[in-house]
Amino acid sequence: DVKVTQSSRYLVKRTGEKVFLECVQDMDHENMFWYRQDPGLGLRLIYFSYDVKMKEKGDIPEGYSVSREKKERFSLILESASTNQTSMYLCASSQSGRPYNEQFFGPGTRLTVL
Amino acid sequence: RKEVEQDPGPFNVPEGATVAFNCTYSNSASQSFFWYRQDCRKEPKLLMSVYSSGNEDGRFTAQLNRASQYISLLIRDSKLSDSATYLCVLYNAGNMLTFGGGTRLMVKP
Repeated sequence: DVKVTQSSRYLVKRTGEKVFLECVQDMDHENMFWYRQDPGLGLRLIYFSYDVKMKEKGDIPEGYSVSREKKERFSLILESASTNQTSMYLCASSQSGRPYNEQFFGPGTRLTVL
Repeated sequence: RKEVEQDPGPFNVPEGATVAFNCTYSNSASQSFFWYRQDCRKEPKLLMSVYSSGNEDGRFTAQLNRASQYISLLIRDSKLSDSATYLCVLYNAGNMLTFGGGTRLMVKP
């Protein structure tokens, strides 16, 4: 069964803290994605990766960075968390070949920045 | 104008009803279209792709109208378990998937 896991379901951090969100997939997918989901705005792509050590900016990369050292793991980093980064963060993965292959999502991390 | 627009709802319908949602998109170069379903407090999952000729999967029918730039999802004989948020998703060449804000459906007994 396809599985994408995220390190935390809920996280509360303070403004200025460095935050790490981890995502692991067990499907040997090449593509991995980080989105944030806010009411009325839908899912917005932050960063994605087509391969190990490779990363591309999505629509809203400001304030975020990513790391992909291993194929199965894709990390999202908030260098200095701010209150406007309070959101639901969703990781996804898909097979290579076409970016519009079905994306499989993790359960999400609800991050609150105080 | 948003790239993908959906009526957020909620659409409240009784069990057994037929319900339809539309989704409009602004980029005429959009190539591929999908409906994803997201249950409350859960992750999105692919429901179905939308083909130019229209396609059906059991009680669900998806249609694409390129001339008017919208896609639709029709659900027949609604079940309580159909209650969810339905996300319109499209793909443009050279870009990633773009998600709409979702339409919330509530099926009541």
